[in-house]
This record gives sequence, structure tokens and C-alpha cells, in this order.
Amino acid sequence: KAGVTQTPRYLIKTRGQQVTLSCSPISGHRSVSWYQQTPGQGLQFLFEYFSETQRNKGNFPGRFSGRQFSNSRSEMNVSTLELGDSALYLCASSFSGWGSGNEQFFGPGTRLTVL
Amino acid sequence: TQLLEQSPQFLSIQEGENLTVYCNSSSVFSSLQWYRQEPGEGPVLLVTVVTGGEVKKLKRLTFQFGDARKDSSLHITAAQPGDTGLYLCAGEFYNFNKFYFGSGTKLNVKP
Repeated sequence: KAGVTQTPRYLIKTRGQQVTLSCSPISGHRSVSWYQQTPGQGLQFLFEYFSETQRNKGNFPGRFSGRQFSNSRSEMNVSTLELGDSALYLCASSFSGWGSGNEQFFGPGTRLTVL
Repeated sequence: TQLLEQSPQFLSIQEGENLTVYCNSSSVFSSLQWYRQEPGEGPVLLVTVVTGGEVKKLKRLTFQFGDARKDSSLHITAAQPGDTGLYLCAGEFYNFNKFYFGSGTKLNVKP
């Protein structure tokens, strides 16, 4: 079974630009979560999508948005990039999302650098 | 204030030594997971614990879940350089529909 894939793996943008990251979950998984990882803040939850609906949201500004398609693939968009958005963006898929004992499987991440 | 506290933050030990990493919260976990992450890669799930008092073993790694489900530990016996990485605990809490991650323990095992 193929794992979670994320594209692109690396991205360099300049301040003010916008970026779209893509995540393909494990086949059969309907939940996709996005996380931002930085050395200072660690892993922080952005949002979770389940069956094309955003089900949970972390404490990030509205510049961060996402969506999920009918095949469970998900995209995350960041508009008006700031230097502080430089981070490793991780997506994780699970079969049914939040629930006791539910397991998340992470992709390799997209390393975003904002200059 | 972190909902989930992980300690120690850094650990540098010699090959063959034992170590323990802790994950604590003032709230009750509905489930807790331990991950290991290598630089530039996503976290890889090691174990999920759900039942208070549960102990799970994965080769030289032993995971314990506290009876009250507010704490967990990861113990590595006879650490090897291949164990080097960032160890993260992540928990779900009752009434909180999201996963919270600890800040991680950066482990370096020197040969």
C-alpha cells in the first residue's frame, strides 16, 4: 500500500506570494490533517478535512486555507506569504479522523522557504 | 501553557545506555501516540496506547501509559546510533477534537 505523498518536497517563495501544497492520502483514508512544524513552535495543527469538509481548525490566520477533493486528496493554500511561514508542512492521513486509537500516517512534508 | 509537556528536550547518550522520555498532561488522554522523526522527513508512528496502565513493547522500546491516562513514557534499552532522532508524543483529549503534539525530545546516540 503506498504511503502518504506530498508535493512538492521543496519550495522557495518570496514574501507576498501565495503557495499551494498538495497531499495524497493512503488509499481508503478519508481524513487528511495538515500541520506546520518549525524549530521554535514544534508541530502545530492547522486543520483537518474529512469527506471534503473541514472538520477541525487550529489557531492560524485566515491566510491559511485548504480543501479536500472527492478522491480524498487535499490541498493547502497560504496567501500573502510572510517570512514566519517558512516551515515544514506535513500532512497526515487516517481512516476516519479523530477517535480513540485512531492512527495517523504522515507524509514526508513540504519544506517551504519564504525569502 | 502547553497542553502536553514532553521531557527532556534534548538527550545525548553513549551507545548501550538506557533512557526514558516522558509525556505529561493535566488532562486525560483518550489516546496517545509516540512518533519518531528523522531530519527532513515526516514523523513515523511507533505505537498507540489507549488503555490506562497499558504497556507495549517494540523490540528495545517499551511504552507505558499511566493508570490515570495523563502521562506516558518511552523507555529505550541499550540505545543504538540508529535510535537517533526526534521523538514526539501526540495525544487526543476528551472534548478536544484535535491532536496535540509535545515539543519533542531530540535524541543523539553516540557510537
